[in-house]
Amino acid sequence: KQEVTQIPAALSVPEGENLVLNCSFTDSAIYNLQWFRQDPGKGLTSLLLIQSSQREQTSGRLNASLDKSSGRSTLYIAASQPGDSATYLCAVGTSGSRLTFGEGTQLTVNP
Amino acid sequence: NAGVMQNPRHLVRRRGQEARLRCSPMKGHSHVYWYRQLPEEGLKFMVYLQKENIIDESGMPKERFSAEFPKEGPSILRIQQVVRGDSAAYFCASSPATDNYGYTFGSGTRLTVV
Repeated sequence: KQEVTQIPAALSVPEGENLVLNCSFTDSAIYNLQWFRQDPGKGLTSLLLIQSSQREQTSGRLNASLDKSSGRSTLYIAASQPGDSATYLCAVGTSGSRLTFGEGTQLTVNP
Repeated sequence: NAGVMQNPRHLVRRRGQEARLRCSPMKGHSHVYWYRQLPEEGLKFMVYLQKENIIDESGMPKERFSAEFPKEGPSILRIQQVVRGDSAAYFCASSPATDNYGYTFGSGTRLTVV
């Protein structure tokens, strides 16, 4: 059974800081890994999708890496802004199209 | 392209009533998934459907819950005889195909059982 863990559970940083969010998963037989952002009371916004054959994806200030063999992914946010404050979710896609989510990292960026 | 549309956004039901949640996938997407987010918990898979077929319902509670994705119209998640423990956010996602494609999520339906 796939299990996804995100560390830290919560993170508070000053504006402008670079930061790393961590995601680990127990079963390396994955199809892809997707990072989402969830604002309070809102839905999920897809940030980055990494296929199992890829090592990383970049979008603007965001960079996600994937090390399938060690069961790890990181989301790097450069020059953080208050608008980045949200919960960040890591989700692993496995055979059968099911996504397994981590519990999320709640990020607060202070002005 | 309006994205994945879920309605209603908020739904209040009394214990014992029925709740019907609707999801219209993105145009061109034929795969629909339902996830539930209980308060202070992560998202959990419930069911995966294609048109007129339930592919995987292993995450659905055995009783009171059902889902369908008819040939025409939105996917429906139906909860009969709701209880307080059903209060949660229910999210629908769609994808164009399986396995190697990312998912697009709707904004969710927040169900409150009073």
